Amino acid sequence: GNSVTQMEGPVTLSEEAFLTINCTYTATGYPSLFWYVQYPGEGLQLLLKATKADDKGSNKGFEATYRKETTSFHLEKGSVQVSDSAVYFCALMENYGGSQGNLIFGKGTKLSVKP
Amino acid sequence: SQTIHQWPATLVQPVGSPLSLECTVEGTSNPNLYWYRQAAGRGLQLLFYSVGIGQISSEVPQNLSASRPQDRQFILSSKKLLLSDSGFYLCAWSSGVGISNQPQHFGDGTRLSIL
Repeated sequence: GNSVTQMEGPVTLSEEAFLTINCTYTATGYPSLFWYVQYPGEGLQLLLKATKADDKGSNKGFEATYRKETTSFHLEKGSVQVSDSAVYFCALMENYGGSQGNLIFGKGTKLSVKP
Repeated sequence: SQTIHQWPATLVQPVGSPLSLECTVEGTSNPNLYWYRQAAGRGLQLLFYSVGIGQISSEVPQNLSASRPQDRQFILSSKKLLLSDSGFYLCAWSSGVGISNQPQHFGDGTRLSIL
């Protein structure tokens, strides 16, 4: 079945460090891919998305490129801030008529940024 | 603009008591609606989804049930709570038009503690 695998955390970085959170997926078709962020005590917010191969999603300095050849959607940011501390979830959505738009999530990666 | 509301934000219930969590969406019609549970140390688990009034699909067998009495209202219930029902419950919606590629938008969640 379809699945999403994220690197396990927690990830601890110093402010202005480079961030990479790895995400790989398994899917039978051509899914859409998403990154969601969950700040402490809150729900999930959509961070960025990509709907086809080689698309790059970007938002708030974060980027991720849909790589079909490696089935990956790694999240990157060039210079993290303390306010980026949160849990990040990679997710895929199957794109076929019966999918009902269901998301399949990875287990999440907790990021802590120290000043 | 569309908004999603969940309540209560926090709930402490004794084992064996009933449960009712409510989620409402404003600013959109005929949304797809979802209930997720996020247990400590785990990712998000899809519990139920609904594509229309009275239409509920369950993803996993459990002690919980869901209902959709109105287009933009989604209720999560239990007749008798178990300790294992503790967790963070998230409601989400997505556009019901053109399911593919439509991101899900999450509420702020309900933290449920069972004593």
